[in-house]
Amino acid sequence: DGGITQSPKYLFRKEGQNVTLSCEQNLNHDAMYWYRQDPGQGLRLIYYSQIVNDFQKGDIAEGYSVSREKKESFPLTVTSAQKNPTAFYLCASSRGGDSYNEQFFGPGTRLTVL
Amino acid sequence: AQSVSQHNHHVILSEAASLELGCNYSYGGTVNLFWYVQYPGQHLQLLLKYFSGDPLVKGIKGFEAEFIKSKFSFNLRKPSVQWSDTAEYFCATSPGYSSASKIIFGSGTRLSIRP
Repeated sequence: DGGITQSPKYLFRKEGQNVTLSCEQNLNHDAMYWYRQDPGQGLRLIYYSQIVNDFQKGDIAEGYSVSREKKESFPLTVTSAQKNPTAFYLCASSRGGDSYNEQFFGPGTRLTVL
Repeated sequence: AQSVSQHNHHVILSEAASLELGCNYSYGGTVNLFWYVQYPGQHLQLLLKYFSGDPLVKGIKGFEAEFIKSKFSFNLRKPSVQWSDTAEYFCATSPGYSSASKIIFGSGTRLSIRP
């Protein structure tokens, strides 16, 4: 059963702590993405990776970091430098880096900073 | 820079009404255009996409969209909505024929259908 998994579904963090969100795909996709979804703002791109061991900043990368050591995995770390981290985070993947490729989305992780 | 505008933030319709959700993009070159839908409690999924050819695109569940280049628009339509169409709809765009895979999303339109 192919797809994208994100864990955990809900995450609570104290201010000043770093936290890592998991994203795994078994679709054999080359490209992976992280978005942040806030009410009334749609999806905003945090980071994306078109191939293993390579990634680029999106529109709102400040306070976030990623790694892409394996094709299947693209974890996102929300650092203490992110000023407003409470949000819904979506991971996606696509077959290749070409811009017409459909992106497939995971179920999301809702992060709340206490 | 690319951007996408969805002017309707919340649309409320009765069942069997016709639907048109507006989407305008700003980019002077060739574009790919997408409509994604997020049903309550479900993953974001693709409704339809346009990247070349016939500007009238048909998607899943009876939805269609028309690419009008002169108006920079890609409005989503459905002739008769059902209660199950209640969801949030996102228009998105990316540069055409590009190896860059960035997609820019609009702010979304929440559709509520009254039974």
